[in-house]
This record gives sequence, C-alpha cells and structure tokens, in this order.
Amino acid sequence: NAGVMQNPRHLVRRRGQEARLRCSPMKGHSHVYWYRQLPEEGLKFMVYLQKENIIDESGMPKERFSAEFPKEGPSILRIQQVVRGDSAAYFCASSSRGTGQKADTQYFGPGTRLTVL
Amino acid sequence: QQPVQSPQAVILREGEDAVINCSSSKALYSVHWYRQKHGEAPVFLMILLKGGEQKGHDKISASFNEKKQQSSLYLTASQLSYSGTYFCGTESPSTGFQKLVFGTGTRLLVSP
Repeated sequence: NAGVMQNPRHLVRRRGQEARLRCSPMKGHSHVYWYRQLPEEGLKFMVYLQKENIIDESGMPKERFSAEFPKEGPSILRIQQVVRGDSAAYFCASSSRGTGQKADTQYFGPGTRLTVL
Repeated sequence: QQPVQSPQAVILREGEDAVINCSSSKALYSVHWYRQKHGEAPVFLMILLKGGEQKGHDKISASFNEKKQQSSLYLTASQLSYSGTYFCGTESPSTGFQKLVFGTGTRLLVSP
C-alpha cells in the first residue's frame, strides 16, 4: 500500500517563476492537507482540501498561492511569482475521513524542497 | 497560538528515559505526536483524544490532560533510532477540526 506521494522532491526556481507541487494521497484517502516548514522551524498549516473543495485555507498567503484537489489526479499547490522567502519544505498529508467529530490520523508525504534563487 | 513544547532539546544516552511536554493556551480536542528525522517527513506516533486517555506503543507512551490543555510523551529505555525532532500537533474546536497546529518541536539526540 503506497504512502503519500509528492513530486518533485526537489524544485529550484528563479525569482518570478511559478512552482507547482503535486501530492497524491494514500489509497482510500480523500482529504489532503498542505503544510510549510521553514528551515529549523515547525510545520505551519496552509490549506485543507477534499475532492473539488477547499475546506480551510486560513493558512494560505492571500496572494500568489493557490491549491486544488480535482476530481481526478493529484492535489496541486501552486505558487506564482516565487520570491526567496518561499524557499521551504512543503509537506502534504492525507487522511481517510474528516467528519469534524473524530480526529483522523494525518500521514505525511516525503515533501518537496523548494529553493528560490 | 502555537503550542509550546519543553524541553527544546535533550541529549540522552541509550537506555535512558525522557519526557516531552506540549502545552496549549486553547481547549483541545486531540493531540497528535510525530517524530521527524532531518530531511525526512514527519512520522506519526500516536493520537490522543480528549478524555484524559493514555496510549502506548512499544516503549513510547503518551498522556493527555484536557483540563490542563497539556500532553506528555514518554520515551523509556531510549534507542538510537529515537533521535529526531518531536512535534505535537493540536486540534482545537476554536481553530478548526482537521487543522493541526504544531508545537515548537523538541530535538532529541540519543547517543551510544
């Protein structure tokens, strides 16, 4: 049973370019979460999605960042016009159910390490 | 808003015990514990729900005191493989279910 998959594992972009990060959840999971981790810091929540729906995007910067989880295919985190401050590790996690009434275990992918030159 | 973990760092010799604490200013619904090794993904350890439950997995156990909004992770007879950074992730009705707010992290180094 494959775990959470993320690609690319490493991504280098120049300032002003676009970055696209992909996440395929574990088999049977329909809930996806994106977290950002700056060097030597903890994980910061960005967005929580279900298929075709954004449930909570309270941690997403207001500009340049967007996320989607289409009916078919992986979840995409898109960063437009990247700046040096976007350099970080971006982790995706998935869970099987999110009823709001019971805590679900979130399983993390290996992350994408974004470097902005 | 971010849970505070203590200690920030701890060094152990193999076989020694350690306790890592996680304290929140908000009422909590659940606490999730993860271990992350450098350059790798966080690995799930256990989840505790409100009700003051305790859980154990091998030589790692945890407790959750919802009244004090605190959780503790207990590592007994530590092994070299326990080295890494431990994070608690808290779930609170006030910040939204399914949204984990992670603590400041505790670095653990186990030496031979």
